[in-house]
Order: sequence, then structure tokens, then C-alpha cells
Amino acid sequence: KAGVTQTPRYLIKTRGQQVTLSCSPISGHRSVSWYQQTPGQGLQFLFEYFSETQRNKGNFPGRFSGRQFSNSRSEMNVSTLELGDSALYLCASRQGGGTGETQYFGPGTRLLVL
Amino acid sequence: EDQVTQSPEALRLQEGESSSLNCSYTVSGLRGLFWYRQDPGKGPEFLFTLYSAGEEKEKERLKATLTKKESFLHITAPKPEDSATYLCAVQEYGNKLVFGAGTILRVKS
Repeated sequence: KAGVTQTPRYLIKTRGQQVTLSCSPISGHRSVSWYQQTPGQGLQFLFEYFSETQRNKGNFPGRFSGRQFSNSRSEMNVSTLELGDSALYLCASRQGGGTGETQYFGPGTRLLVL
Repeated sequence: EDQVTQSPEALRLQEGESSSLNCSYTVSGLRGLFWYRQDPGKGPEFLFTLYSAGEEKEKERLKATLTKKESFLHITAPKPEDSATYLCAVQEYGNKLVFGAGTILRVKS
């Protein structure tokens, strides 16, 4: 079974621009979560989607948004990019909506904001 | 606020020198504790899930244990390919994972 895939793998943007990242979960998985990883803050939860509905949201500004499609694929959008948004953005999928299920991570999208 | 603290921050071992990594946590209702391994530039790779105190799981040279307040990842006779950052995460109500800062492990041959 193919793992979680993320596109693009690398991205360079300038301040003020917006960016959209894509995530395809493991086949059959219905939940997708997004995380931001930086050297200073580590891995931080952004939001989770299940059956096209956002179920949980972390402490990030409204510039960070996401959505999930009927095929469970998910996109994350960051508007008005800031230098501090440079990070590795990770997507994780799990099979259903149950608590305690293992999340499987993709390779990440490395975003550099200049 | 949930807290996950991993120690040590970094660990250097000789090949074959066994050791343990620690993950201590404070959550109001633990729903799962997860160990991941992360290589540079890659996403975290799942290792173990533990749900209740006293639970143990093993995979090759790794063994994870769980108590009410902490988890240990024991590495027996490590090899250079075990070098990576090991991440611990806890899940409480709401399904989000709260991660520790990780332990960077270097195994020298």
C-alpha cells in the first residue's frame, strides 16, 4: 500500500505571497492532520480533517487554513506569508476517526519564505 | 497545557552500547503514546503505540515501555543505522498529537 504523499516537496516563496500544499493520504484513510515542524518549536499541530470537516485546530493564526475533499485528499493554504512560516509542513493520515489510532506521516513539504 | 519532555536532548553511543531514551508527559487523559523515528529531511516514521501503563512493545533492537507518567525507548546493541531523531508524542481527547522536542541519537562504529 502506498504511503502518504505530499506535493510539492520543496517550495520557495516571498513574503506576502500565498501557498497551497497538497496531501494524499494512505488509501482507505479518512483522517488527515497537518503539522508544522521548525527547529525552534518542533512539531506543532495545525488542524485535522475527517470526512471533509475540520475537527480540531491548533493555535495558529487564521492565515493558515485547510480543506479536505471527498476522496480524502487534503490541501493546506497559507496566505500573506511571513519569514517565520519557513518550515517543514507534514501531513499525517489515519484510518478512521477513533482516538488512539496511529498517524502515518508523509515526507513533508519544505517551505522557504524569502 | 499538555507537556511532553524528552531526555536527553542528544545521545552519543558506541556501536553495541545499549541505552534508554526517556519521555515524560502530563496529560489529563492519555489516549495513546507514540514513538516515531525521523531521519534528516524526512517525515517521522512510526515505531510504536502504547495505550496503558505496563504495556511493552518490541521491534528488532528497540523496546518501548509505558508507566503512568513516562515512557522509555530502550535500544539494545545499537548499530550506526539506528542514528536518527526519536520523537515521542501523546494523544489525549481531541485526537491531536503533542510532540516532545526529540532525542538526537548518534551511534558510532
